[in-house]
Amino acid sequence: DVKVTQSSRYLVKRTGEKVFLECVQDMDHENMFWYRQDPGLGLRLIYFSYDVKMKEKGDIPEGYSVSREKKERFSLILESASTNQTSMYLCASTFPGYNSPLHFGNGTRLTVT
Amino acid sequence: DQQVKQNSPSLSVQEGRISILNCDYTNSMFDYFLWYKKYPAEGPTFLISISSIKDKNEDGRFTVFLNKSAKHLSLHIVPSQPGDSAVYFCAASASQGAQKLVFGQGTRLTINP
Repeated sequence: DVKVTQSSRYLVKRTGEKVFLECVQDMDHENMFWYRQDPGLGLRLIYFSYDVKMKEKGDIPEGYSVSREKKERFSLILESASTNQTSMYLCASTFPGYNSPLHFGNGTRLTVT
Repeated sequence: DQQVKQNSPSLSVQEGRISILNCDYTNSMFDYFLWYKKYPAEGPTFLISISSIKDKNEDGRFTVFLNKSAKHLSLHIVPSQPGDSAVYFCAASASQGAQKLVFGQGTRLTINP
């Protein structure tokens, strides 16, 4: 069974802090994604990566960066957390191919105060 | 602008009856469509998909219908079961889009015994 693990279930951070969200997958997937889920907006793509050290911006990359130093790990970085980044963050991974479904982690609920 | 829209935030259906969830899209480049199901405190899980070369795809109790001319798809669940109570997300991608899924806002389905 595919396992996508997000390191924290809940996080509370202060405005201006640098925040790291970690994601690890165990299925040797090339592609990894970061989404945020907000009520009434569904899931929105922040960044994705289709290879180690490769990254591409999604639909809402402002205020975020990512790091992929190893195939199995994809990190989302909030350079200076703001209250409008309070959200549920979901990591996903999959094989290449547009018809390969995404496998999601259980999410990290981030609250910025 | 919301390229994928689920206009019903919630739906309540009696156990054993048919559940119909609807989704509309605006981008004519989308050619692959998926439904994901999400339980509380878990990540979304893939349910069923359809390519634009088809107008129907069936998997057990779940059937997805695609009407390209109307840019509309629907998910039928029959018969509905209590375990189907969840949030359902419609998603779309363009085959040239490197798996950049665009999600709808989600519909919360409640199956009443």
